[in-house]
Amino acid sequence: QLQLQESGPGLVKPSETLSLTCNVSGGSGSNNNYYWGWIRQPPGRGLEWIGSIYYHSGSTYYNPSLKSRVTISVDTSKNQVSLKLTSVTAADTGVYYCARHGTIRSLSGYWGQGTLVTVSS
Amino acid sequence: QSALTQPASVSGSPGQSITISCTGTSSDVGGYNYVSWYQQHPGKAPKVMIYEVSNRPSGVPDRFSGSKSANTASLTISGLQAEDEADYYCSSCTSSYTLVFGGGTKLTVL
Repeated sequence: QLQLQESGPGLVKPSETLSLTCNVSGGSGSNNNYYWGWIRQPPGRGLEWIGSIYYHSGSTYYNPSLKSRVTISVDTSKNQVSLKLTSVTAADTGVYYCARHGTIRSLSGYWGQGTLVTVSS
Repeated sequence: QSALTQPASVSGSPGQSITISCTGTSSDVGGYNYVSWYQQHPGKAPKVMIYEVSNRPSGVPDRFSGSKSANTASLTISGLQAEDEADYYCSSCTSSYTLVFGGGTKLTVL
């Protein structure tokens, strides 16, 4: 059974960089032909797609509203996908989910359980 | 990109049917058959209930169904059960190879 686990600091100071990783375990077959996405959810609010990366080529797709601050990358040797979000503010506080999806057209697939990140001094 | 439009809340009694709408534009919902629906219980990760407008993943009860007409997609839950009480989100791809969610709908089972 494929499992995705997000990890990283639970507290980040304003203006600093939020860094999270998504570790993949279990499942069968290669991750090469999948997209890996990040989605976030501020407390008490709705879901927001941050961006996705195609594991095989490293091609990235970002939410236009976050594009200037976001970098998503893949470390194939570690079976890991990373998210970096720069110049964070309190508005970036929320639960961050990673997901594996089969097409850039849809986020349906496997999701991690999410990790809470709080931006505060 | 603008969020898709969903009603903030819907309610129904056990056994009844409810429908949640998700309205976008011809550049997202209306232009592609890639609408998904997610169920989220408090404190839990979202779970895919419908993908590609009307397909159910394995394990999702057939009480859940999806459809689309023009720029509006719909999720229908028939034979409402207490455990269906949750937040529901729709999502769609866009013409710019991005993804957008609806604002979410809180379903209350009376």
